[in-house]
Amino acid sequence: DQQVKQNSPSLSVQEGRISILNCDYTNSMFDYFLWYKKYPAEGPTFLISISSIKDKNEDGRFTVFLNKSAKHLSLHIVPSQPGDSAVYFCAASPSRETSGSRLTFGEGTQLTVNP
Amino acid sequence: KAGVTQTPRYLIKTRGQQVTLSCSPISGHRSVSWYQQTPGQGLQFLFEYFSETQRNKGNFPGRFSGRQFSNSRSEMNVSTLELGDSALYLCASSLPLSTDTQYFGPGTRLTVL
Repeated sequence: DQQVKQNSPSLSVQEGRISILNCDYTNSMFDYFLWYKKYPAEGPTFLISISSIKDKNEDGRFTVFLNKSAKHLSLHIVPSQPGDSAVYFCAASPSRETSGSRLTFGEGTQLTVNP
Repeated sequence: KAGVTQTPRYLIKTRGQQVTLSCSPISGHRSVSWYQQTPGQGLQFLFEYFSETQRNKGNFPGRFSGRQFSNSRSEMNVSTLELGDSALYLCASSLPLSTDTQYFGPGTRLTVL
């Protein structure tokens, strides 16, 4: 039972355009959401997070939107840069606790930004 | 500050063998978690150690085990390897609080033939 799903295994965009990565979840107990970025041969790195009391959180070129009623979140990258090409993982937790046992990850989306 | 290091980076084993993977956390981090990443499955939580004690365990068979040493370094062991154990095994460390951000190592790529 995949409680966190990233339905697009890959996404390709042009440099300078917007990248939108989507994530759906089924467990209504999830209260805190995170995005991680992973380059080949490196471990995932934390990118941005959002609590369920908010519907938007912004950090530079990265914005995460949360739609609790639809159990959907998305990561927007504007403008996209070639260095953003990586696998992006969505993760969810029932609280702000993000220790390993509390996080449920999606399958990941490979983003490719073309120059 | 040095990041999380994992050794070895690549490993090839055959079915039935056992394997031990090592993880050295960031200096000062006392919590270490292990994950398995397979294509199409995302990251699946294996277990978490804190102060040499297993704090949480994921839904994996008993062939998967781990331990943590007094210097916070951690090892995980997989016995009686199966083809399906082929995966990237990631280790993450964090400060003691469960709200602290996890920092991941580069992983160990295990191939079981």
